[in-house]
Amino acid sequence: EAQVTQNPRYLITVTGKKLTVTCSQNMNHEYMSWYRQDPGLGLRQIYYSMNVEVTDKGDVPEGYKVSRKEKRNFPLILESPSPNQTSLYFCASSHKLSGRGDEQFFGPGTRLTVL
Amino acid sequence: AQKITQTQPGMFVQEKEAVTLDCTYDTSDQSYGLFWYKQPSSGEMIFLIYQGSYDEQNATEGRYSLNFQKARKSANLVISASQLGDSAMYFCAMRGGSYIPTFGRGTSLIVHP
Repeated sequence: EAQVTQNPRYLITVTGKKLTVTCSQNMNHEYMSWYRQDPGLGLRQIYYSMNVEVTDKGDVPEGYKVSRKEKRNFPLILESPSPNQTSLYFCASSHKLSGRGDEQFFGPGTRLTVL
Repeated sequence: AQKITQTQPGMFVQEKEAVTLDCTYDTSDQSYGLFWYKQPSSGEMIFLIYQGSYDEQNATEGRYSLNFQKARKSANLVISASQLGDSAMYFCAMRGGSYIPTFGRGTSLIVHP
């Protein structure tokens, strides 16, 4: 089954404790991205990657890091989480960057709470 | 810069009726794509329909159609014959030359029996 998986699905942590949210896709997609969703703000892109070892900032990259060492994996790293990073996080992938067929496939989401 | 505006925070519709969810966009790109996604209460994001800026015909996918009016920069989603399972948040999004998608704030749709 074609899918994007994220782990963990739920995480409660404390300020300053480094954490990683994993993301993996099995569709051989080149483009992957991370979003955060906050009430009333829709989805905002944190980082994206167009291929292995190619990453770039989205609209809200502060406080986050990513890496793309393999095509299928795109982990999101919070080196020193703060309460304002409490949010619902989505990983997504797509086959193309533009044109028909570039719709994104989303993971199930990770609900993060930083105390 | 890209911008997506969804002016309807919430919509109500009777089961089996059609409903239109509004979306207007702003971009200076000539080539762009417009998308609609559905987010049920379970939280996942589900792709519904795509419209390319150069597509001459409105996109359709089953009960979903996209009313694309390029000159007015609008990309409204039409759901025909609403079902109870259509109750969800709906997001309009676009991606242009920057490859960074922009999402609207969403419209909550409630389908009444």
